[in-house]
Amino acid sequence: EVQLVESGGGLAKPGGSLRLSCVASGFTFVNSDMSWVRQAPGKGLEWVSSITDTSSFIYYVDSVKGRFTISRDNAKNSLYLQMNNLRAEDTALYYCARLRGPSIAAGAMDVWGQGTTVTVFS
Amino acid sequence: QSVLTQPPSASGTPGQRVSISCSGSRSNIGRNPVQWYLQFPETAPKLLIYSDNQRPSGVPDRFSGSKSGTSASLAISGLQSEDEADYYCAAWDGSLNALVFGGGTKLTVL
Repeated sequence: EVQLVESGGGLAKPGGSLRLSCVASGFTFVNSDMSWVRQAPGKGLEWVSSITDTSSFIYYVDSVKGRFTISRDNAKNSLYLQMNNLRAEDTALYYCARLRGPSIAAGAMDVWGQGTTVTVFS
Repeated sequence: QSVLTQPPSASGTPGQRVSISCSGSRSNIGRNPVQWYLQFPETAPKLLIYSDNQRPSGVPDRFSGSKSGTSASLAISGLQSEDEADYYCAAWDGSLNALVFGGGTKLTVL
């Protein structure tokens, strides 16, 4: 079964850090571009970051640049999001998703995890 | 405010055909393929349309996508009660180097 399972969410104080993980199974992770997408409570979807299969190209939404780092370990079929200097506005459900397509720009997210919740509060 | 503009709500009766619009610009919809996602409450989004008008396997042909210039549209024919959900469009923005989403459209089946 094709599956993505996120973990690592939780509570953090403003300025704190969290590391999200996403473990893939049922497909060839090493050949897949991947993304993180978040959804604040009661709000719409917001793309956070994408990474190509070999980590050659990485992209971030402006609001997280310099604070979040996406990475992957293809040997462990795992995707990560290191979140530093967290802000209240980072509070959201974070999904990892597989990107399918000829490129990041032309890709679509066809497999999604169930999400992990990040809450930033003082 | 989202880069892509969708109506916040849409509605229809069972059996009807409804359309949801998504307006962008030359740097996103005008240049890159559009995707559509649907999301039921408390569940992860699901890919509905990719590459402007392609359906993944398992998506009924009641759902169709189209694009013209800097606007895209999702059409649902033969509306069913189970189509009641939130629908989002998305496209890569070449100027922002970012994937941008519409704000989402809540579809109500009356």
